[in-house]
Amino acid sequence: QKEVEQDPGPLSVPEGAIVSLNCTYSNSAFQYFMWYRQYSRKGPELLMYTYSSGNKEDGRFTAQVDKSSKYISLFIRDSQPSDSATYLCAMRSGGNKLVFGAGTILRVKS
Amino acid sequence: KAGVTQTPRYLIKTRGQQVTLSCSPISGHRSVSWYQQTPGQGLQFLFEYFSETQRNKGNFPGRFSGRQFSNSRSEMNVSTLELGDSALYLCASSLDPGGDEAFFGQGTRLTVV
Repeated sequence: QKEVEQDPGPLSVPEGAIVSLNCTYSNSAFQYFMWYRQYSRKGPELLMYTYSSGNKEDGRFTAQVDKSSKYISLFIRDSQPSDSATYLCAMRSGGNKLVFGAGTILRVKS
Repeated sequence: KAGVTQTPRYLIKTRGQQVTLSCSPISGHRSVSWYQQTPGQGLQFLFEYFSETQRNKGNFPGRFSGRQFSNSRSEMNVSTLELGDSALYLCASSLDPGGDEAFFGQGTRLTVV
């Protein structure tokens, strides 16, 4: 079983929809949680970084962490075609070794 | 502020050859980590360097090695290349090993033929 599970999709939504992306994890030592966006043939771009349970909002993006359930989510409001990309969750316990989910392919249709 | 710079962007090598990839972290960042990304395995941690010392290593064979210089720039080397080494190699830069965000470069696309 992988330490981090993420549905690879693809997830297809109409423009303007609210998108929910999720990851579950098994290692209770994970303390820091990140979401990255990766466009084709590009490096991952950091979207959200959090280390506590609860919600963190940044513009159209909200990251949610539930450590008791070992579950994290990323919500995208008012989705745009430019949001079409692969979304990767990542987490770590200490140091800088990140453990990534498989990535979810998101397609926003105009 | 310049981001993470990786060179070269693309490489084509033959089986059995060796290759060296370079990463310049964000100015002021002292921790550099390397990852391999493939369609089948996703993003996998290779190793992490801080103050010219390897702090952590992933589950890769000894053919994969790296180093960090006093200016925090890092290189990784793959010897005796195999077809399965074809991947996007990504470098991530952080202020220090203890925390904070990790910022990635655009990667080096290595193709082994």
